[in-house]
Amino acid sequence: GAGVSQSPSNKVTEKGKDVELRCDPISGHTALYWYRQRLGQGLEFLIYFQGNSAPDKSGLPSDRFSAERTGESVSTLTIQRTQQEDSAVYLCASSRTSGVGETQYFGPGTRLLVL
Amino acid sequence: AQSVTQLDSQVPVFEEAPVELRCNYSSSVSVYLFWYVQYPNQGLQLLLKYLSGSTLVESINGFEAEFNKSQTSFHLRKPSVHISDTAEYFCAVTSFAGGTSYGKLTFGQGTILTVHP
Repeated sequence: GAGVSQSPSNKVTEKGKDVELRCDPISGHTALYWYRQRLGQGLEFLIYFQGNSAPDKSGLPSDRFSAERTGESVSTLTIQRTQQEDSAVYLCASSRTSGVGETQYFGPGTRLLVL
Repeated sequence: AQSVTQLDSQVPVFEEAPVELRCNYSSSVSVYLFWYVQYPNQGLQLLLKYLSGSTLVESINGFEAEFNKSQTSFHLRKPSVHISDTAEYFCAVTSFAGGTSYGKLTFGQGTILTVHP
């Protein structure tokens, strides 16, 4: 079956521009997670959705970052006024439920480069 | 708060040799533990996980990991590696206690395993 998909796969932008990253979770998965992986570092949690509500936004690094989700479907992560330190691979994952221990299935990621 | 430390950033090994990738975690409450693998040019995928029961868990491709609560470790091992095991391996933890009902993962920094012929 189809896995988690993300678009674009690569994005190059200029400092100060806004970018929008998209995630399509596995059909029927109610939980959706965004993570960021900067070069040489592990994955950092950004935000979690259960359905279209976001119980935990604690990982968003600043108010330039926001995310939304439509129902139990597509999610978009928006970064406003991008900075060079935003350069990273942004990964989306979904799981069947939000239960602890549920396997998270990851997308291929969006590689963002801010010049 | 929870954290994960992978002690080796890179592990080179020859084919058919044994390997151990080390992972230590820190958490004040109960944990579930995971190993994810990222093969070259592929996405992150679950290798194995410990939720409860037997402390030794195995994957379908011969890896195993043992949950050691006293040493707060979850090291990954394979008795004989193949070239195809070359990948980056990530250890991850999620904690649970009253009030925490979702599986936010905290990842280690990853270990690059390179298997040489």
